[in-house]
Amino acid sequence: GAGVSQTPSNKVTEKGKYVELRCDPISGHTALYWYRQSLGQGPEFLIYFQGTGAADDSGLPNDRFFAVRPEGSVSTLKIQRTERGDSAVYLCASSLISARQGNEQFFGPGTRLTVL
Amino acid sequence: SQQGEEDPQALSIQEGENATMNCSYKTSINNLQWYRQNSGRGLVHLILIRSNEREKHSGRLRVTLDTSKKSSSLLITASRAADTASYFCATVSNTGNQFYFGTGTSLTVIP
Repeated sequence: GAGVSQTPSNKVTEKGKYVELRCDPISGHTALYWYRQSLGQGPEFLIYFQGTGAADDSGLPNDRFFAVRPEGSVSTLKIQRTERGDSAVYLCASSLISARQGNEQFFGPGTRLTVL
Repeated sequence: SQQGEEDPQALSIQEGENATMNCSYKTSINNLQWYRQNSGRGLVHLILIRSNEREKHSGRLRVTLDTSKKSSSLLITASRAADTASYFCATVSNTGNQFYFGTGTSLTVIP
């Protein structure tokens, strides 16, 4: 595809359930980022992948959050034992090399997660 | 936590006027980028300025960077109704790979 895609676009779950959010980056982009955006706020950094490895996961709020990128392309953000406070839009972005090297990030449309 | 803050939080102007948004940040940066977000959609990259640059232009956009004051400004000239969106600055630190967004400025351009 031409851009970053994320699935599902909306996810409603119950407190305590497990969810997986998927991101398909632009082909050939080695850097991939996950963010969380609450209403009226800017995106909050969660984790950064360079290739297959999590180069920086310092933004993950706690050990209920985990992300993988096993083949250096598609990434999955996993949230265990969801809480109401996890409700937000989860954004994925990819860039050719890395934002630190001055590459712009291309964002997906996001997954709106609602925890009831 | 958010690295930067935009000012003002909200801005409403008439079409044709210029819009200026400011961003302040906290740590040393490698580069600073401005993004735009239309309601309910993903972010779109507008312009990037490196830490050794002071000013940059792209079409109707002008960005300045003052590393001594840890601040940047985004100027949109001759605004259009289609410029209505939220605008965020984002910084990349010199020491890590975290990408920090500010709190955003909500711009409304009245036709």
